[in-house]
Amino acid sequence: DAKTTQPPSMDCAEGRAANLPCNHSTISGNEYVYWYRQIHSQGPQYIIHGLKNNETNEMASLIITEDRKSSTLILPHATLRDTAVYYCIAPFGNEKLTFGTGTRLTIIP
Amino acid sequence: GAVVSQHPSWVICKSGTSVKIECRSLDFQATTMFWYRQFPKQSLMLMATSNEGSKATYEQGVEKDKFLINHASLTLSTLTVTSAHPEDSSFYICSARDPQQETQYFGPGTRLLVL
Repeated sequence: DAKTTQPPSMDCAEGRAANLPCNHSTISGNEYVYWYRQIHSQGPQYIIHGLKNNETNEMASLIITEDRKSSTLILPHATLRDTAVYYCIAPFGNEKLTFGTGTRLTIIP
Repeated sequence: GAVVSQHPSWVICKSGTSVKIECRSLDFQATTMFWYRQFPKQSLMLMATSNEGSKATYEQGVEKDKFLINHASLTLSTLTVTSAHPEDSSFYICSARDPQQETQYFGPGTRLLVL
């Protein structure tokens, strides 16, 4: 897997956009960037993934820089239920996922 | 998103007994499934990769004779913890890869407590 670097923790006010950064400077040309989150005591939940272009789904948006060395996950209107640990992963061969320590996002009322 | 189930969601057993955990992909066929383990306040650690109809590939340090994996169909993989000991108490999570979506979906996890 390409090494990814995320801040250990972030706070965001409820109702505001949460922007979670991820650096993946060693990513190769065919490696996707995946985002998952894990709410306490549950299995990880898939959020979104992308290769080159920006992506958006019902949960979030993913902005990938042109050089693909970093990306940002955007939760447009954070709610208390978005409090979780968020993982950015760039798996080799797009198969095996290696989980780092992620970013612990706390949504503040 | 796609749905992956696990059964049981939690289990308590005596030391020395074996425990089987099932992982099912409910709305897609998964040629590859993965088993993870998570200890308190730690991240997920991949234990093994399971391919339908073939032997599982174990990560370094994971005992294949202790953690038996069977992937008998495209929608079912099982993990059996043999002769469980208290140090095997953990949160076991499976995932299944949907080849059409090129995405892994995770089950809700199984909490194992060995007394």
